[in-house]
Amino acid sequence: NAGVMQNPRHLVRRRGQEARLRCSPMKGHSHVYWYRQLPEEGLKFMVYLQKENIIDESGMPKERFSAEFPKEGPSILRIQQVVRGDSAAYFCASSSTTGPTEAFFGQGTRLTVV
Amino acid sequence: KQEVTQIPAALSVPEGENLVLNCSFTDSAIYNLQWFRQDPGKGLTSLLLIQSSQREQTSGRLNASLDKSSGRSTLYIAASQPGDSATYLCAPGSEKLVFGKGTKLTVNP
Repeated sequence: NAGVMQNPRHLVRRRGQEARLRCSPMKGHSHVYWYRQLPEEGLKFMVYLQKENIIDESGMPKERFSAEFPKEGPSILRIQQVVRGDSAAYFCASSSTTGPTEAFFGQGTRLTVV
Repeated sequence: KQEVTQIPAALSVPEGENLVLNCSFTDSAIYNLQWFRQDPGKGLTSLLLIQSSQREQTSGRLNASLDKSSGRSTLYIAASQPGDSATYLCAPGSEKLVFGKGTKLTVNP
């Protein structure tokens, strides 16, 4: 049973380009969470999704950021027109349900905007 | 809004010491609390999960306690080893996990 898989592990984008980060949850998990970790900062919640539904996007920046978790395939975090301030590590976690269940994290995608 | 504080921010100890990492949180309406470790440039590894109805949880040299009513959790590491060097994060969870900034632990040989 593979863990949470994120790809790519490292992503370099020029300012103004789009970044697409992928997350495949653990087998049997239908809940996906995205977190962002800025250099020397803690992990900040961005968005919580279930299959085909956004449950909580209270941590998502209002512009340029979007997330989806389609019926088939991985969850995608999309950042349009990236800026230097978007450079960070983006982590995905999954759980089997919400509530009192353990969350498992992927290895993260390190985005660098040049 | 849940806020999580971890004390100390950094800790450096000689190998073999027993140590305690502290975590406090403001909203006691949680389902559980997880402790993680994060190695530099890596993801998070789940160490212990304490359900809100539990008082403590043990795994090997690690013991975590939870006092939900007072909004506190502690992680106890026995007989520390250099391989324990990492950042330790606590995360009380309801609909989502909320993280503190962590305690950066260095265990010196």
